[in-house]
Amino acid sequence: EDQVTQSPEALRLQEGESSSLNCSYTVSGLRGLFWYRQDPGKGPEFLFTLYSAGEEKEKERLKATLTKKESFLHITAPKPEDSATYLCAVQPWGGSQGNLIFGKGTKLSVKP
Amino acid sequence: EAGVTQFPSHSVIEKGQTVTLRCDPISGHDNLYWYRRVMGKEIKFLLHFVKESKQDESGMPNNRFLAERTGGTYSTLKVQPAELEDSGVYFCASSQDAAGTPPRFFGPGTRLTVL
Repeated sequence: EDQVTQSPEALRLQEGESSSLNCSYTVSGLRGLFWYRQDPGKGPEFLFTLYSAGEEKEKERLKATLTKKESFLHITAPKPEDSATYLCAVQPWGGSQGNLIFGKGTKLSVKP
Repeated sequence: EAGVTQFPSHSVIEKGQTVTLRCDPISGHDNLYWYRRVMGKEIKFLLHFVKESKQDESGMPNNRFLAERTGGTYSTLKVQPAELEDSGVYFCASSQDAAGTPPRFFGPGTRLTVL
């Protein structure tokens, strides 16, 4: 069964303290892996798409990487405004483009 | 440019009643998706429209759920009759990207509570 597991469930960092979020996936065939950010009371906001092992994407303080079994979202020198829930989703081969399998997310809190 | 909008933001109904959720996608977006997040669980796919056609409705839980997108613009999701387990946050998303790309723009969601 296709599955996505994100860890940790919650992460508290001090401003400037770098860390990584993990997304482990089990899927018959990976078409794409996506990262979203979700703020309270809002819908997910698209961050990155990764398609193949070894691929990396960057945006400001965030960098996403992909291996054959997991993806990492690295946060470098985070700021309080980076506080949010980060969601990982995979798109299996053979499924429709919207039929994503989401993880439960990692809730990140960055304290000043 | 306006984003994806959803109405209502909250709905509280009794078990057995009917509720209709509405989603207005970004203008010009042919792809419209519905998702649901039940408390404590992950977001799950419900269905995908391309214009007015249902491309994939494999995630619809049962026949109490009916989605429509007449004219290929806004979409409605009706739950009739509602059950307790239907409570959750219903998200709509839209995109105009090529096939295979993920939904990029999500609405704020409708929080449905069935008592």
